[in-house]
Amino acid sequence: DAGITQSPRHKVTETGTPVTLRCHQTENHRYMYWYRQDPGHGLRLIHYSYGVKDTDKGEVSDGYSVSRSKTEDFLLTLESATSSQTSVYFCAIMQGANTEAFFGQGTRLTVV
Amino acid sequence: AQKITQTQPGMFVQEKEAVTLDCTYDTSDQSYGLFWYKQPSSGEMIFLIYQGSYDEQNATEGRYSLNFQKARKSANLVISASQLGDSAMYFCAMREALFMDTGRRALTFGSGTRLQVQP
Repeated sequence: DAGITQSPRHKVTETGTPVTLRCHQTENHRYMYWYRQDPGHGLRLIHYSYGVKDTDKGEVSDGYSVSRSKTEDFLLTLESATSSQTSVYFCAIMQGANTEAFFGQGTRLTVV
Repeated sequence: AQKITQTQPGMFVQEKEAVTLDCTYDTSDQSYGLFWYKQPSSGEMIFLIYQGSYDEQNATEGRYSLNFQKARKSANLVISASQLGDSAMYFCAMREALFMDTGRRALTFGSGTRLQVQP
């Protein structure tokens, strides 16, 4: 199994508070991604990284920021959590263009 | 416009029968890759099969095969001899511009098909 872990696995937080989710990999893969999964939408890309300090926005990036200061860690921050950000968040890593993405176990975030 | 379309929200199949899950895609790139993932009720994402746009033969992995029709822009997943453990959500995904600076591309997913295998 690919070495990718997400933390925390579950979190309940209040509206308006900042939240940071962590994705850690031991594979030294260049590409890292954050997706959110909601019923009826599949997985939608939030942000991604193609190297240390190299990040870009995905299709649903509003309200989220990311940082990658080390190859192995990709952090997703909800600057001020809202109920619409209640979702399951997946981190993924990819070694190359035509290789599969390996996914973390997911983080279930509930904003109340 | 949707890049990946999965038109079957739910499917039923009898155990030991074959089933086809539909996927159509939209891209203007010449080089792209198509992926299928399985998500059981436990939630993890499991890679099943990959098809490159330049591959001349349809991809196969055990009981999974991909019916790739490039002109029709479809990449249907065929599961032969369905098993109860195949009950899950199935996602089709695409990565475009395979041979460009791929840092600027990610997997785009369809909305998924829930497959239920009946005994």
